[in-house]
Amino acid sequence: DSGVTQTPKHLITATGQRVTLRCSPRSGDLSVYWYQQSLDQGLQFLIQYYNGEERAKGNILERFSAQQFPDLHSELNLSSLELGDSALYFCASSVGTGPSYEQYFGPGTRLTVT
Amino acid sequence: GESVGLHLPTLSVQEGDNSIINCAYSNSASDYFIWYKQESGKGPQFIIDIRSNMDKRQGQRVTVLLNKTVKHLSLQIAATQPGDSAVYFCAEGETGANNLFFGTGTRLTVIP
Repeated sequence: DSGVTQTPKHLITATGQRVTLRCSPRSGDLSVYWYQQSLDQGLQFLIQYYNGEERAKGNILERFSAQQFPDLHSELNLSSLELGDSALYFCASSVGTGPSYEQYFGPGTRLTVT
Repeated sequence: GESVGLHLPTLSVQEGDNSIINCAYSNSASDYFIWYKQESGKGPQFIIDIRSNMDKRQGQRVTVLLNKTVKHLSLQIAATQPGDSAVYFCAEGETGANNLFFGTGTRLTVIP
């Protein structure tokens, strides 16, 4: 158990809908990272927050947004969902920001768009 | 648990043999490299890391080798065990940048 929690574990929704994925980092970790893992693209970095502020942005679509709240939990919002958004979404947390800080991954949320 | 059915390179080894998993990275400026293990139904888990000022680092049963000349990274697992069966990812990062870039991954299957 990494100490990172993600809810829900599974999510099934229809195209065009909007969903929110939630992540609680390990106690004491200030950074939260979001990743998408799909069949044909491996693990793709989406976005990172550190202590409430956006710090890095990867291949995140405009239909997706995220935020980190004062209690350090984070939410990833996915809107106007398309079939291609079906994937595993992972959250990771670390104490600091930068590649040398070990990232601890949550168990993921499996999103299925039908 | 569920896992994504990635179309990955695969490596099958006999239990007790050594495994070597390879990774090519792309960014010459990357100075930090990490190997992750992802078991079915779980998130990636840190195994070992190496900085660009090193060419070898050893952990418990694992060794990472870095060849910056050809931008190649490898993970060696000694005396492979059934519990080592998983997907292994390399990741690269650059000091001053906050995110990691992950490789495609290799699925290791250990045959008892």
